[in-house]
Amino acid sequence: KQEVTQIPAALSVPEGENLVLNCSFTDSAIYNLQWFRQDPGKGLTSLLLIQSSQREQTSGRLNASLDKSSGRSTLYIAASQPGDSATYLCAVVRTSGSRLTFGEGTQLTVNP
Amino acid sequence: DAGVTQSPTHLIKTRGQQVTLRCSPISGHKSVSWYQQVLGQGPQFIFQYYEKEERGRGNFPDRFSARQFPNYSSELNVNALLLGDSALYLCASSLFGKGMASNQPQHFGDGTRLSIL
Repeated sequence: KQEVTQIPAALSVPEGENLVLNCSFTDSAIYNLQWFRQDPGKGLTSLLLIQSSQREQTSGRLNASLDKSSGRSTLYIAASQPGDSATYLCAVVRTSGSRLTFGEGTQLTVNP
Repeated sequence: DAGVTQSPTHLIKTRGQQVTLRCSPISGHKSVSWYQQVLGQGPQFIFQYYEKEERGRGNFPDRFSARQFPNYSSELNVNALLLGDSALYLCASSLFGKGMASNQPQHFGDGTRLSIL
């Protein structure tokens, strides 16, 4: 059974700091991995999707990496801003088009 | 284009009642999935539907059921509500096609907040 773990559970940083969020998964046979952002009481916003054959993906200040062999992914946020405050969730897909298995998220607070 | 839309946004029910939640996918998306998110946890998979067929079911009791319509919209039904059913119910759509490899991301709606009294 696939299990996804995110560390840390919560993180508080001053504005402008670069930071890394971690995601690990127990079964390396994944099809892809997706990072999401969730604002309080809201749905999930897709940030980045990394295919199993890729090592990283970038979008603006966000960079996600994937190491399938070690069962790990990281989300790097450069020059953090208060507007980045949210819960960040990673999720893996085992086969094409199948269910997402989520971690419990990292709650990020960026202080002005 | 409109994103994934869910209705209602909030719902309050009492134990033993039944509830129906609705989801309209992004135009052109044929796959709809449902997830339950309890406060402080990651979403848990409930169902996936593609072309009106159930393609996956999570570890939820038979009180949970769903269906997909010809226009690809979907309903999630929960019978005999329990206090533990209180959660945010999320719908996601994607371009996944049966027999076709897809690395398209899943897109989520804002969810329906269900509270059981």
